[in-house]
Amino acid sequence: ETGVTQTPRHLVMGMTNKKSLKCEQHLGHNAMYWYKQSAKKPLELMFVYSLEERVENNSVPSRFSPECPNSSHLFLHLHTLQPEDSALYLCASSRDINSPLHFGNGTRLTVT
Amino acid sequence: QQQVKQSPQSLIVQKGGISIINCAYENTAFDYFPWYQQFPGKGPALLIAIRPDVSEKKEGRFTISFNKSAKQFSLHIMDSQPGDSATYFCAAGRETSGSRLTFGEGTQLTVNP
Repeated sequence: ETGVTQTPRHLVMGMTNKKSLKCEQHLGHNAMYWYKQSAKKPLELMFVYSLEERVENNSVPSRFSPECPNSSHLFLHLHTLQPEDSALYLCASSRDINSPLHFGNGTRLTVT
Repeated sequence: QQQVKQSPQSLIVQKGGISIINCAYENTAFDYFPWYQQFPGKGPALLIAIRPDVSEKKEGRFTISFNKSAKQFSLHIMDSQPGDSATYFCAAGRETSGSRLTFGEGTQLTVNP
């Protein structure tokens, strides 16, 4: 079983809703990431946190807002999303930002 | 400069056959080439990785072949099994930045019994 747990597994939300995705890692890692996975497209890195500091923000729209309260937890707050934001959102962690990634099983998001 | 091109998009192989997935990269600074395996409903998991100081790396039925001059690398799955049916992603990056990867678009492999 994965050491990176994501909840919820599935989420359907309207364009005016506000929701949050949660990620928890049990591996003692210091870096955490959000990726977006769309069909037939490469994984897109959204945000990188190292020791709870955001170190990378890859031109992600402001309707996605990350939060990393400690090295074990990562949130992605969502508001006023668009239908094209429907995708699988993957959380990952690594020992540090130079180490291999360990992915969670993702949250399947549908924006209606 | 940062793209990784992966082919084919989908692949169907008979049980016992060889599955071959190819990737090409552009950035000559890349020196770390992992492959990830993703089953439906699961996140990607690191399968095998190679560094350019070797031309081939084998782990069980899985082999990576690397051609530095052509900037290409490939995954070979020998004696393919139905349990190998999954989506495979190649990636490329710097070994010193192991988490900062550029991913390919993925190959959906189906192994028929």
